[in-house]
Amino acid sequence: LAKTTQPISMDSYEGQEVNITCSHNNIATNDYITWYQQFPSQGPRFIIQGYKTKVTNEVASLFIPADRKSSTLSLPRVSLSDTAVYYCLVGPDGPPAGNMLTFGGGTRLMVKP
Amino acid sequence: EAGVAQSPRYKIIEKRQSVAFWCNPISGHATLYWYQQILGQGPKLLIQFQNNGVVDDSQLPKDRFSAERLKGVDSTLKIQPAKLEDSAVYLCASSPNRGPEQFFGPGTRLTVL
Repeated sequence: LAKTTQPISMDSYEGQEVNITCSHNNIATNDYITWYQQFPSQGPRFIIQGYKTKVTNEVASLFIPADRKSSTLSLPRVSLSDTAVYYCLVGPDGPPAGNMLTFGGGTRLMVKP
Repeated sequence: EAGVAQSPRYKIIEKRQSVAFWCNPISGHATLYWYQQILGQGPKLLIQFQNNGVVDDSQLPKDRFSAERLKGVDSTLKIQPAKLEDSAVYLCASSPNRGPEQFFGPGTRLTVL
């Protein structure tokens, strides 16, 4: 079971780039890394998934080093609306099951004006 | 495309009473999940269905919690009798047969007095 470790909280200012790192030292060969975002009073929302190197979509980028023991979610030019909790999950690809469903405590990002 | 629907959105009951939550997943999604999210924590999986069969219910407190997914579509989660520590948001999510993404509903906030 690949356990993940994230910072409990982070502060940033509008317009800055935010990087949230997740450690997953026991990641398995067939495991992928998935990030979710959760706003207050809402369910989590899928942001991005990756296996190695770099993945980018319209919302964020995900950087994964060669050893895959950590990953970094990068949010470019954050705004107040990016204030949320961000969760890193690790598990096999495909319909989530088993250890892919362990959300952990997440990282609370606070974006200030 | 309609999202995951849940009802009620809020429920207040007294301890030892019973309560039921309803979830309607996205059409065509075979997998359905129920999570419990206590304030300040990440979601914790209670039960996972694949169609109308249970895939994982290892963290479901079966002495008081029960869930069913008749006909592989809608699902209900019941608590009987409720305890104070059951106060939480109950999230329902669904996923298609491909890809890592779970689609979450808005949740039901339960307060047990």
